Amino acid sequence: GAVVSQHPSWVICKSGTSVKIECRSLDFQATTMFWYRQFPKQSLMLMATSNEGSKATYEQGVEKDKFLINHASLTLSTLTVTSAHPEDSSFYICSARLERETYEQYFGPGTRLTVT
Amino acid sequence: GQNIDQPTEMTATEGAIVQINCTYQTSGFNGLFWYQQHAGEAPTFLSYNVLDGLEEKGRFSSFLSRSKGYSYLLLKELQMKDSASYLCAVLDSNYQLIWGAGTKLIIKP
Repeated sequence: GAVVSQHPSWVICKSGTSVKIECRSLDFQATTMFWYRQFPKQSLMLMATSNEGSKATYEQGVEKDKFLINHASLTLSTLTVTSAHPEDSSFYICSARLERETYEQYFGPGTRLTVT
Repeated sequence: GQNIDQPTEMTATEGAIVQINCTYQTSGFNGLFWYQQHAGEAPTFLSYNVLDGLEEKGRFSSFLSRSKGYSYLLLKELQMKDSASYLCAVLDSNYQLIWGAGTKLIIKP
């Protein structure tokens, strides 16, 4: 149980275009999902908290107009990187939180984005 | 501010035992997690501690001392596949996960 999928697993796009990444909880409902970014040899950096039915909460320094998050259902959250630039190239990982006493997060396999 | 410290890198020998320490200072505490992350992959859940003491799960054990703001992950009978980064994370009073920078564990034959 507690499987999270992410699509696509990797994507290459041209500078200036937009890319959408999907995160799905396959066998449980997730009120809360998280989006992380990880640069090579660095730790996870939380970008935003995605809440079903409401606006996402962004971490300081993360541009909400550039990284659009939609959490329209209890099993799907999407992250759209708008007007992508080479510096947005990174490993994007989503997680879904189990709403039980441990609040553990289960991670998707990640999406490697390369902007050329 | 909130802070989690763990060593940047550790090296150990196949078949040996290694202990990865984590100290934390957070606004509130609702549990501590350890995750394993292989290069290029997403983190996977290893353990959760909310009460003081040792939790054993196969070759991996995790210890917590809330009064000292301290935890460790103990890996026994090390295998080459254990080479990975190990992330310590604390659930704060708002149930937000605060992440450490991770410890890269290198296993040598």
